[in-house]
Amino acid sequence: AQKVTQAQTEISVVEKEDVTLDCVYETRDTTYYLFWYKQPPSGELVFLIRRNSFDEQNEISGRYSWNFQKSTSSFNFTITASQVVDSAVYFCALSPISNFGNEKLTFGTGTRLTIIP
Amino acid sequence: NAGVTQTPKFQVLKTGQSMTLQCAQDMNHEYMSWYRQDPGMGLRLIHYSVGAGITDQGEVPNGYNVSRSTTEDFPLRLLSAAPSQTSVYFCASSPLNRAGETQYFGPGTRLLVL
Repeated sequence: AQKVTQAQTEISVVEKEDVTLDCVYETRDTTYYLFWYKQPPSGELVFLIRRNSFDEQNEISGRYSWNFQKSTSSFNFTITASQVVDSAVYFCALSPISNFGNEKLTFGTGTRLTIIP
Repeated sequence: NAGVTQTPKFQVLKTGQSMTLQCAQDMNHEYMSWYRQDPGMGLRLIHYSVGAGITDQGEVPNGYNVSRSTTEDFPLRLLSAAPSQTSVYFCASSPLNRAGETQYFGPGTRLLVL
């Protein structure tokens, strides 16, 4: 069985501060994908990143960066110089790599991030 | 491309009523799925389909039926609604056999069962 744990239920930081959202996962699969999604107050789910279990390189995209550590089964997400528009619920998710692709996402319970102006 | 569309956006039902949540995609994706989102629970997979005529159960299938007669449409049926089915429902689609492709989510349907 797969499990994704986002222990931080809610985080509040002042604008321009850096913030890290934690994600710890459990899986028996040797190959898998990890994802982060953003859910702004409007409710839609916005894809942020996908990481293959083969690739442990950290990734940076603008103010966003992701730290994947297979040894600790973690896939943490850092926002640098946070902005009010970053306020949202962030979900970490996991899926096996099957013959079909990457269906059957298992989501964490989400972290609600509030950026205080 | 409209992407993934869902109707209705919001629905109120009484216990025991039936209804169908509609989901359509215009990206010719083989894979489609339904998730429900509950406070403190994240999103949980209800049913999924890897192509027309093929469906399977996810983590929380009880109380829901699906069918997939076309590639484009994947409706979710509640035969006898219960208050426990009050939730936000998301439909998603993705192509198959393209490793690493992400899933595209619809805007969601908010369902309240009284």
